[in-house]
Amino acid sequence: EDQVTQSPEALRLQEGESSSLNCSYTVSGLRGLFWYRQDPGKGPEFLFTLYSAGEEKEKERLKATLTKKESFLHITAPKPEDSATYLCAVPYSGGGADGLTFGKGTHLIIQP
Amino acid sequence: NAGVTQTPKFQVLKTGQSMTLQCAQDMNHNSMYWYRQDPGMGLRLIYYSASEGTTDKGEVPNGYNVSRLNKREFSLRLESAAPSQTSVYFCASSDRPGGGDEKLFFGSGTQLSVL
Repeated sequence: EDQVTQSPEALRLQEGESSSLNCSYTVSGLRGLFWYRQDPGKGPEFLFTLYSAGEEKEKERLKATLTKKESFLHITAPKPEDSATYLCAVPYSGGGADGLTFGKGTHLIIQP
Repeated sequence: NAGVTQTPKFQVLKTGQSMTLQCAQDMNHNSMYWYRQDPGMGLRLIYYSASEGTTDKGEVPNGYNVSRLNKREFSLRLESAAPSQTSVYFCASSDRPGGGDEKLFFGSGTQLSVL
């Protein structure tokens, strides 16, 4: 059963056109919601961790928010260098596994 | 500051061949992980090691073995490679194992093709 679902799978925006990416999760007792950025041919790079509903974090043109059921990654006035795949993840719950379980990602393209 | 280093970056194997993927981290992290990433499937955990001397299965361990050689190094071995193991493999390490806040640092990946 998927614990993390991301939408849309792909998103194409014009430079400067703001939008939001969605990450919904079904775990109980959330121990953190993580956002990562992945560039082609590279490993994921950490962006944010959110722990409680209502929490927000910002980094340059990115702002991550969290509710009890989902998280949003808002991208304001994006630039072409923001093009990447954005992944969200939560800690494994149950089954004894350590580490994070990831969504399938949103592939974001910013056209100049 | 190298972070997490994986070797090799690319590898082509024939079905039935064996190989070991190497991973080393220089951040003094206790936990290390091996993930595979496939189109449409996302990142899936193969094995992890919460501390030196311990290893545990993740979501997709079949066909793989691991060794936590010391605190720095965590290797992934394919004993008899199969085409289904064609994937991009990522090693990661964590500075806060367990109890939440599993912020992972990833290597740049190994692209493996099994023919």
